[in-house]
Amino acid sequence: DAGVIQSPRHEVTEMGQEVTLRCKPISGHNSLFWYRQTMMRGLELLIYFNNNVPIDDSGMPEDRFSAKMPNASFSTLKIQPSEPRDSAVYFCASSLGSPYSGNTIYFGEGSWLTVV
Amino acid sequence: GENVEQHPSTLSVQEGDSAVIKCTYSDSASNYFPWYKQELGKGPQLIIDIRSNVGEKKDQRIAVTLNKTAKHFSLHITETQPEDSAVYFCAASGYGQNFVFGPGTRLSVLP
Repeated sequence: DAGVIQSPRHEVTEMGQEVTLRCKPISGHNSLFWYRQTMMRGLELLIYFNNNVPIDDSGMPEDRFSAKMPNASFSTLKIQPSEPRDSAVYFCASSLGSPYSGNTIYFGEGSWLTVV
Repeated sequence: GENVEQHPSTLSVQEGDSAVIKCTYSDSASNYFPWYKQELGKGPQLIIDIRSNVGEKKDQRIAVTLNKTAKHFSLHITETQPEDSAVYFCAASGYGQNFVFGPGTRLSVLP
């Protein structure tokens, strides 16, 4: 079975540009997560969707970040405008059922973002 | 909310020796404790997990123990091999509580 699929794998962009990261969760999974990983802050949950509805977006850093899940098989994380401090690895993950009930989270390979 | 601490932050062992990584959590309602391995340039991959109704779980060279009273759980890797070198993350989740990850342990297995 295909795992969580993310694109692009690597992105280098100039400050001020819009960045869109894409994710296809594992088929049948109804929970989707966006995480950010940096050396300083480790793995941070940005937003969590259940059945395509945002449940917890308390980790979204600021209004420059937005996430959508128009259907069960696709999600986007957008940064507009991007800043150098947004440089990080962004992971999409999915699980079958709610993480509140102890369902395992499966991660994609990540999107490595560099903002210059 | 839940807080997960993880020690040590770095660990070096000789090939063939055992490695132990420990995590503590704060929320007694947490009932699911997975461990993830992250290799360079890849996403975290689940390697083993344990639920609160179990004290120990083993899968070949990897084992996890849980002490709910003390609120800590540990990852044990025996007969370490170079391919075990990676960053390991523990996590805790449970009723009404999303996953909270520990800060990670960088394990180096020296030949």
